[in-house]
Amino acid sequence: GAGVSQSPRYKVTKRGQDVTLRCDPISSHATLYWYQQALGQGPEFLTYFNYEAQPDKSGLPSDRFSAERPEGSISTLTIQRTEQRDSAMYRCASSHREGGLAAYNEQFFGPGTRLTVL
Amino acid sequence: GIQVEQSPPDLILQEGANSTLRCNFSDSVNNLQWFHQNPWGQLINLFYIPSGTKQNGRLSATTVATERYSLLYISSSQTTDSGVYFCAVDLWDNFNKFYFGSGTKLNVKP
Repeated sequence: GAGVSQSPRYKVTKRGQDVTLRCDPISSHATLYWYQQALGQGPEFLTYFNYEAQPDKSGLPSDRFSAERPEGSISTLTIQRTEQRDSAMYRCASSHREGGLAAYNEQFFGPGTRLTVL
Repeated sequence: GIQVEQSPPDLILQEGANSTLRCNFSDSVNNLQWFHQNPWGQLINLFYIPSGTKQNGRLSATTVATERYSLLYISSSQTTDSGVYFCAVDLWDNFNKFYFGSGTKLNVKP
């Protein structure tokens, strides 16, 4: 697509429920990122994919968080047994990585999903 | 991890004024971007600028990588410039993990 899209834009859920967020990256982009942004803060890295591989999960806050990108395009982020502290904006970004060690890596963000856990 | 510090944290300008936003980082970086988070929450790419100087209309940016800082200049500010400005960097040895600063919140008054 022309830009990164995310759905839903807003999600309200009750504590203990599972939620799944979706990201559709720019079609030519191999790399996809997930970030969590608390109110008044900058986005914080959660995980990233290079096509379907997920080399870095170091930012996922707990094992309740998981992400997948099975066909190397659309990605989902699932939060199980949601807690109130999970309330945040969840952002997805994609980039068209080029180069080796010194990689061009300009990231483009989607509109985000605002998650509220009651 | 790397520390990314932005200053000032808050800025109020009268329409037409100029301003400079600063981003300091504590380690050598591979990439650096400036973003504008508009009042609707969208993160807009302003500059991809790991080094050097770029200009786009009323905005320009300069990164001095050897001294570990970047500057964003806004000239003749407009009310539509309001929002939060973030810089984000990644590292030479881990260029898949972007670190964001806490942002500069700009309010341009008419």
